[in-house]
Amino acid sequence: AQSVTQLGSHVSVSEGALVLLRCNYSSSVPPYLFWYVQYPNQGLQLLLKYTTGATLVKGINGFEAEFKKSETSFHLTKPSAHMSDAAEYFCAVSAATGFQKLVFGTGTRLLVSP
Amino acid sequence: DARVTQTPRHKVTEMGQEVTMRCQPILGHNTVFWYRQTMMQGLELLAYFRNRAPLDDSGMPKDRFSAEMPDATLATLKIQPSEPRDSAVYFCASGLVQGPVTGYTFGSGTRLTVV
Repeated sequence: AQSVTQLGSHVSVSEGALVLLRCNYSSSVPPYLFWYVQYPNQGLQLLLKYTTGATLVKGINGFEAEFKKSETSFHLTKPSAHMSDAAEYFCAVSAATGFQKLVFGTGTRLLVSP
Repeated sequence: DARVTQTPRHKVTEMGQEVTMRCQPILGHNTVFWYRQTMMQGLELLAYFRNRAPLDDSGMPKDRFSAEMPDATLATLKIQPSEPRDSAVYFCASGLVQGPVTGYTFGSGTRLTVV
C-alpha cells in the first residue's frame, strides 16, 4: 500500500523567498510521485511528476522536486516565491506497477506575503 | 488543450434525492478516478476504472453510491439517496497508464450541496 505525509498544513513565505514544501511517502514497491496545485474553486493541476530516470524533476511555474529514495522524500521547491504561487499543494503517490492507485496527502496551503 | 469535463459544476439538492454526476475523460485515456474533497477529510478516492473496468471502489459507501463507465467517453457517479454529509466537491481525473504514467488530468469538479 502507498501513503503520503505532508509536513505542515500551512507554510508562509515572503515574496522572493525560497519555497519548500515537504512530502514523505511510503510504498512497498517502486513509486511514482506527483505534485499537484489547486487554486481556489478549481481542480487540481499537475506541477511535476517522477516516474523513472533523473531524480531531480522540473515542473511548471519554476517548481522542482527531488526524489530521494534513501529518505523516502519528494520535497517541492522554488527558489523565489511569487504572489501567484499562493495555493494548496498536494503530494501524491502511486505504485509503479499493478493497479497504480493514486493516493494523495492532506495538502499544504502556501501563503505568500508581499 | 485536452480537458476532463465534469457536469454539472454545481448541484443543490434536497436530502433523499438522487444525484448523478458525469465525467467525460480525455479521449484515449484508459484510467478514470473519482475523488471527493472536503475540508475535514481532504481528497478521498472513491473509485477508479481501467479500460472501463472497476479496479477499486473500496472508498465508496456501497449502500448509496455507485460508479459506472457505460462507455469510454462517459463515467458516472450516482448517489441515491443523498444525505447532507455527502456535501463536497467531487472530482474526476483521467490518465493514460501504459508503462510509466503520463500524469492524471483533473476536471473542475462538481460542487454538491445536500440540504
